[in-house]
Amino acid sequence: GEDVEQSLFLSVREGDSSVINCTYTDSSSTYLYWYKQEPGAGLQLLTYIFSNMDMKQDQRLTVLLNKKDKHLSLRIADTQTGDSAIYFCAESPNAGNNRKLIWGLGTSLAVNP
Amino acid sequence: DTGVSQDPRHKITKRGQNVTFRCDPISEHNRLYWYRQTLGQGPEFLTYFQNEAQLEKSRLLSDRFSAERPKGSFSTLEIQRTEQGDSAMYLCASTPLAGAYNEQFFGPGTRLTVL
Repeated sequence: GEDVEQSLFLSVREGDSSVINCTYTDSSSTYLYWYKQEPGAGLQLLTYIFSNMDMKQDQRLTVLLNKKDKHLSLRIADTQTGDSAIYFCAESPNAGNNRKLIWGLGTSLAVNP
Repeated sequence: DTGVSQDPRHKITKRGQNVTFRCDPISEHNRLYWYRQTLGQGPEFLTYFQNEAQLEKSRLLSDRFSAERPKGSFSTLEIQRTEQGDSAMYLCASTPLAGAYNEQFFGPGTRLTVL
């Protein structure tokens, strides 16, 4: 079935690294995504990873993909108070070619000064 | 390009009333999606259009829900005989048909409250 799981809460101190974990179920997903949602704002694509990669780095963000275990993680280096938000992991199964997104519940990241 | 827009941003209605929401996707984006997000949850897929054709509807979309995209541009989502359980944020997203990694661009959402 379609199911994406994430831990619900993470609290870190400013300047520390944050690691948000996700497990997904559909191995057909070509891309996996991390979206950010801030209060009162729309969902914003933070980064994505192609399924044949195991790591992608983009400035302070590092995405790790373990396709065997269907595990995805997002590491934010030097976390800032402005990073406080809800982070959603999403997969896009290839079945039907409609590319709809299947989402986790979101991880609420609190960054303490 | 101004991005995906949705109207209204907020809607409060009484149970049993009909409501209609509008989504204007980014120009030239062939694919359009509707999602629903309730508090503390991730978005849930509702329906998908490719141009004017509605190609998939979720089982979540009861017969009280109908969506259209008549000219392959803007889309409307109508809920008839609203129920309190319909209270949620309704999100619209669009993406080009041949997008490199299928980034979906989201609108700000319409928050529906059913009293």
